[in-house]
Amino acid sequence: SQQGEEDPQALSIQEGENATMNCSYKTSINNLQWYRQNSGRGLVHLILIRSNEREKHSGRLRVTLDTSKKSSSLLITASRAADTASYFCATDVGSARQLTFGSGTQLTVLP
Amino acid sequence: DAGVTQSPTHLIKTRGQQVTLRCSPKSGHDTVSWYQQALGQGPQFIFQYYEEEERQRGNFPDRFSGHQYPNYSSELNVNALLLGDSALYLCASSLPGRADTQYFGPGTRLTVL
Repeated sequence: SQQGEEDPQALSIQEGENATMNCSYKTSINNLQWYRQNSGRGLVHLILIRSNEREKHSGRLRVTLDTSKKSSSLLITASRAADTASYFCATDVGSARQLTFGSGTQLTVLP
Repeated sequence: DAGVTQSPTHLIKTRGQQVTLRCSPKSGHDTVSWYQQALGQGPQFIFQYYEEEERQRGNFPDRFSGHQYPNYSSELNVNALLLGDSALYLCASSLPGRADTQYFGPGTRLTVL
C-alpha cells in the first residue's frame, strides 16, 4: 500500500521557474525523504527531514514538513532542464526501516 | 567507490519460469532491501536482509524469496512468474545502523511474457 501521495501527478514549467511538489501521508513517521528518478532508472536520494524538523535546505532544494497536517513539500528553485525527472516522497515508519513511497510527481522543465 | 550494482540490467522470461536477480551493496553497507516498481508507480517494499536473515517483509507472496551472503551481496528469487511480476526491481543498501538512508542501484527490468 502507498503511504504517501504526491501532488500534482505531473508538472510542466519553464527553465528558471520554481517547482513545488507536495506529499501527504497517513501515519506518524520517523522521517520523510525525497528521491529523484530519471527515466525508470535507479532512485537518487535528495534530502531527508526528520519528524522533529520543520524545514531543511540543500542547494536549490527546500523541504518543509508539517506533521500536524501529515504533509511535506519539495521546492526546487531556478529549475533546469536537467531537473526533468520523477520525484517521490518516501516515509520511514516505526522500527521497520522500510521505506513506503508515494506514486510520484513527473516534473518536466522546458528549455 | 562503486555504488550499488545490480545484474542483469534487463531480463525477459515467460510465465511460470523462475528468475534470480543479484545485488552488490555499496562498500561498507550491511543491509540490503528490495523493491518492486511497476510502470508509473512508486516502488513497493518486498523485503530487507540483515546479517544474512530476512528482517522485514512487505506484502508479497512466498513466491518472492531472497538470500544474503556473508559479503552482504543479495539475491531476489521469484518463482512461478506471472505477467504482473513485470516491473523494475530495485535493490538498496544502507550503512550499519542507518537503514533510514538507503542508496539505490540502477535496477533490473524484468519482463514476463
